[in-house]
Amino acid sequence: ETGVTQSPTHLIKTRGQQVTLRCSSQSGHNTVSWYQQALGQGPQFIFQYYREEENGRGNFPPRFSGLQFPNYSSELNVNALELDDSALYLCASSLAGSYEQYFGPGTRLTVT
Amino acid sequence: AQSVTQLDSQVPVFEEAPVELRCNYSSSVSVYLFWYVQYPNQGLQLLLKYLSGSTLVKGINGFEAEFNKSQTSFHLRKPSVHISDTAEYFCAVSGDSNYQLIWGAGTKLIIKP
Repeated sequence: ETGVTQSPTHLIKTRGQQVTLRCSSQSGHNTVSWYQQALGQGPQFIFQYYREEENGRGNFPPRFSGLQFPNYSSELNVNALELDDSALYLCASSLAGSYEQYFGPGTRLTVT
Repeated sequence: AQSVTQLDSQVPVFEEAPVELRCNYSSSVSVYLFWYVQYPNQGLQLLLKYLSGSTLVKGINGFEAEFNKSQTSFHLRKPSVHISDTAEYFCAVSGDSNYQLIWGAGTKLIIKP
């Protein structure tokens, strides 16, 4: 059974640029959630995808968008990057209807 | 809306001593509760969970937690810590909908030799 994987591990972008982060779900999991974890804070829920549709969204602006593919992998896209977007971005997979989530190692995004 | 408070940002403790990491939540409805551990530069790993049933739940690495509905608490305990337990610990509660989790700010467990 493969766990949740994320790529890239680290990324440095300039303010105003766009970024795409990728996530592969744990085998058998059909739901993906994305979280932003700023330094020294707990994760903040961005959104969740189930069956390729957004299934809930936290308090993040529309420039944060996502996709889920038929194989349940997912992308997080952030447009018009701001300095405050610098954070660890975590992807978690789960089975539909379950709060039990399994996390990937995260992508550390630095915006300069 | 639910919220989670982890009362201590850091807890220093000597190796082989017991430890308790505190977590309180605010909710008027039934909740599911979780503790996750985050080692330096890593993602989050599930330590234990309370979904229903016995209020004392046991997790990995010798940790346990007790759900107390009247005090809206879910404190994490370990009778004897090891240097390898050095990490940040996060308490999380089920959100209002869509199976999202609401997280506390985390508690850094610092093990003193």
